[in-house]
Amino acid sequence: GAVVSQHPSRVICKSGTSVKIECRSLDFQATTMFWYRQFPKQSLMLMATSNEGSKATYEQGVEKDKFLINHASLTLSTLTVTSAHPEDSSFYICSARTGRNYGYTFGSGTRLTVV
Amino acid sequence: GQQVMQIPQYQHVQEGEDFTTYCNSSTTLSNIQWYKQRPGGHPVFLIQLVKSGEVKKQKRLTFQFGEAKKNSSLHITATQTTDVGTYFCAGPHNNNDMRFGAGTRLTVKP
Repeated sequence: GAVVSQHPSRVICKSGTSVKIECRSLDFQATTMFWYRQFPKQSLMLMATSNEGSKATYEQGVEKDKFLINHASLTLSTLTVTSAHPEDSSFYICSARTGRNYGYTFGSGTRLTVV
Repeated sequence: GQQVMQIPQYQHVQEGEDFTTYCNSSTTLSNIQWYKQRPGGHPVFLIQLVKSGEVKKQKRLTFQFGEAKKNSSLHITATQTTDVGTYFCAGPHNNNDMRFGAGTRLTVKP
């Protein structure tokens, strides 16, 4: 089946630094990828929609200058958390749709801890 | 915007008991999807319902889509410890993205 590979799975960074998270679709092309954020024991909140070759669409309240999204190819989307702060600590997950009746395939997630 | 409401937030059952989680939308949904997220894991797609009144089964799991396509349920018969996790429903928001319900966290006591 379709696989979305997400790296890194865990990252600890110092406050003020930037962190890049990668999501790759391994056996399909993803013109659109979605980035979610999940706080402990909460639901997935859509942050932005990443479109190959064009600018990402951000949800209301998500700072586009802080969460930089790049979707330069049909198989790779990246999310960069810039100038990270402790409140950015969360679980970030990407997903892509692999087919009309197959739902969304999620990456394994990245647990970001900012210290 | 369209929201999918999901209840209950938590459910603790004894192994062997049944479990049900419900999702409701204020608007008609073209489809609804269900996902399971194990503790520490990522959401995994379970099923998609499209037709009014549709019922689908996966072993001990029964998924229903309401006649008005505004509500859905997931029922697990005779829960097992392997059923532990959070179950999310998700409904389409725009053409492409899905919005998730709050999830129901299921714990099963052996």
